[in-house]
Amino acid sequence: AQSVSQHNHHVILSEAASLELGCNYSYGGTVNLFWYVQYPGQHLQLLLKYFSGDPLVKGIKGFEAEFIKSKFSFNLRKPSVQWSDTAEYFCAVHNAGNMLTFGGGTRLMVKP
Amino acid sequence: GAGVSQSPSNKVTEKGKDVELRCDPISGHTALYWYRQSLGQGLEFLIYFQGNSAPDKSGLPSDRFSAERTGGSVSTLTIQRTQQEDSAVYLCASSLPGTQQFFGPGTRLTVL
Repeated sequence: AQSVSQHNHHVILSEAASLELGCNYSYGGTVNLFWYVQYPGQHLQLLLKYFSGDPLVKGIKGFEAEFIKSKFSFNLRKPSVQWSDTAEYFCAVHNAGNMLTFGGGTRLMVKP
Repeated sequence: GAGVSQSPSNKVTEKGKDVELRCDPISGHTALYWYRQSLGQGLEFLIYFQGNSAPDKSGLPSDRFSAERTGGSVSTLTIQRTQQEDSAVYLCASSLPGTQQFFGPGTRLTVL
């Protein structure tokens, strides 16, 4: 069975700091990769996705992620975080089985 | 509609009672998914419907859980004889086959 690991459970940053959230998955076949975000009191929203092509994917709100197949990784990055980025971030893998397998989530708090 | 809707938004029930949770997917989306988000377990897949195919029930935690999808649109998740460990946020998502899933706001279930 495939699994997704997010290394950081809680991250606290000051505004303007750079962000990198780790995500590793265990599945040897073709996968589609996602990062979802859940802002306080809101539902899950797609931040970005990778299906194929350029392994560096750009998403909304200045986020990007890089798919490194040899490392089974899909880390999320943002050069300069804002207070409004405070949220919980979920990495997810979607394979031929159609359901999403989620990582445990990372709670990001950005201090103003 | 414009997005996935779920009802009720909150449900408080007593242990042993049955509950029904409803999901209205995005119009035209043939795939519908149920997930559960709980403390300690993260986001877990429950069940997946695709068109008229038999649903993938591999994520249902026990035979107290069941779901149906009528007319290829609205879905109902039923939990019989609820237990306290069933307390969670139940999320519904819909998609076109093999594409990005769009999530609803969830139903927060509390079993007393």
